[in-house]
Amino acid sequence: AQTVTQSQPEMSVQEAETVTLSCTYDTSESDYYLFWYKQPPSRQMILVIRQEAYKQQNATENRFSVNFQKAAKSFSLKISDSQLGDAAMYFCAWTRDDKIIFGKGTRLHILP
Amino acid sequence: EAGVVQSPRYKIIEKKQPVAFWCNPISGHNTLYWYRQNLGQGPELLIRYENEEAVDDSQLPKDRFSAERLKGVDSTLKIQPAELGDSAVYLCASSHFGGRDTQYFGPGTRLTVL
Repeated sequence: AQTVTQSQPEMSVQEAETVTLSCTYDTSESDYYLFWYKQPPSRQMILVIRQEAYKQQNATENRFSVNFQKAAKSFSLKISDSQLGDAAMYFCAWTRDDKIIFGKGTRLHILP
Repeated sequence: EAGVVQSPRYKIIEKKQPVAFWCNPISGHNTLYWYRQNLGQGPELLIRYENEEAVDDSQLPKDRFSAERLKGVDSTLKIQPAELGDSAVYLCASSHFGGRDTQYFGPGTRLTVL
């Protein structure tokens, strides 16, 4: 069975600094997708970044980038130049067309 | 484009009462998901629809939970009777087609069972 592990329940980072959130997963599949979602205190979850497992190139979206290590089954999220608006719960998710598993999340605090 | 709409936003009921949640996905999205999110946890999938067909309901407690997606558009999730342990946020999400696509989430319904 697939599992997704986020080993950091909470993290803090100084505003304008860089922080990395970790995510590991366990699967025997070769074709899948990985996502990072952000859930601010208002509760509505939104996409941060998406990675296709068949692509070796790491996905980037402005200040957000991932370090995807397929062999190690690792999918970490790096947030550069942290901003107060980045404070939220971050969830890592593993999916195929027919299955989706979320991690338990990491709460990120931004210190002014 | 309009996002995923859910109602109600909050619901407080006594145990053994029935409750229903409604979701209207983004227009044109074939896949609809219902999740339960307990406090401090990640979403747990309850049921997934492809159009009007429930293709994964393995985690849906079928003795008390039911769902429908008539005409492959909006959906209703029902609990009858509710138990104390059902207190959670119920999230609805939709995607264009399947798990490979980005999911768009609604604001959720916070259910409190007293």
